[in-house]
Amino acid sequence: NAGVTQTPKFQVLKTGQSMTLQCAQDMNHNSMYWYRQDPGMGLRLIYYSASEGTTDKGEVPNGYNVSRLNKREFSLRLESAAPSQTSVYFCASSENLFTASRGDTQYFGPGTRLTVL
Amino acid sequence: AQSVSQHNHHVILSEAASLELGCNYSYGGTVNLFWYVQYPGQHLQLLLKYFSGDPLVKGIKGFEAEFIKSKFSFNLRKPSVQWSDTAEYFCAVNAPKIYNQGGKLIFGQGTELSVKP
Repeated sequence: NAGVTQTPKFQVLKTGQSMTLQCAQDMNHNSMYWYRQDPGMGLRLIYYSASEGTTDKGEVPNGYNVSRLNKREFSLRLESAAPSQTSVYFCASSENLFTASRGDTQYFGPGTRLTVL
Repeated sequence: AQSVSQHNHHVILSEAASLELGCNYSYGGTVNLFWYVQYPGQHLQLLLKYFSGDPLVKGIKGFEAEFIKSKFSFNLRKPSVQWSDTAEYFCAVNAPKIYNQGGKLIFGQGTELSVKP
């Protein structure tokens, strides 16, 4: 049981290049998330997927696209990378989205450190 | 706007000192509260969580947190820190769906803890 896995761990891109960050979870969770972590700003939600087949924008979606490939996998794509996208990207999953009657813990992957030159 | 605030950005303590990290949120209604820890070079790990019941929550590694609803606070405490507690600590709140950010995990800015041996 690996939990949440992410690839790659590190990546350096030039401005304008594209790439896809991969995320997979083996906990049979319905909901998955992509965050970026920047110094002094905590984690900010980019996109999330409440369940297979659905995706929604989070707090900072501009410049990103996502695909919920199946229940296990949730990828994040940068179509034309910009220096402002230099960050550490974390994928997370939880059994379900939060509701008033149920709170679900999110489990995080190891992160991808992305540098855009 | 609704938010999660961690007032201490960087805390420096000597080993055996007591620790209290502040966390305040501004959401009304039912919330779930979390503290995550990120050790240097590692991903976020759940330290403890509050869903309901006893407002004093005990987590791993001797940490505890107290939910005070009237103060909208969920402060993290440890009576005696160790060098190995050096890490960044994030408070997070699952806000009710009535809010724009509802159903998602909202993070504070993080508090960096440095423990001197």
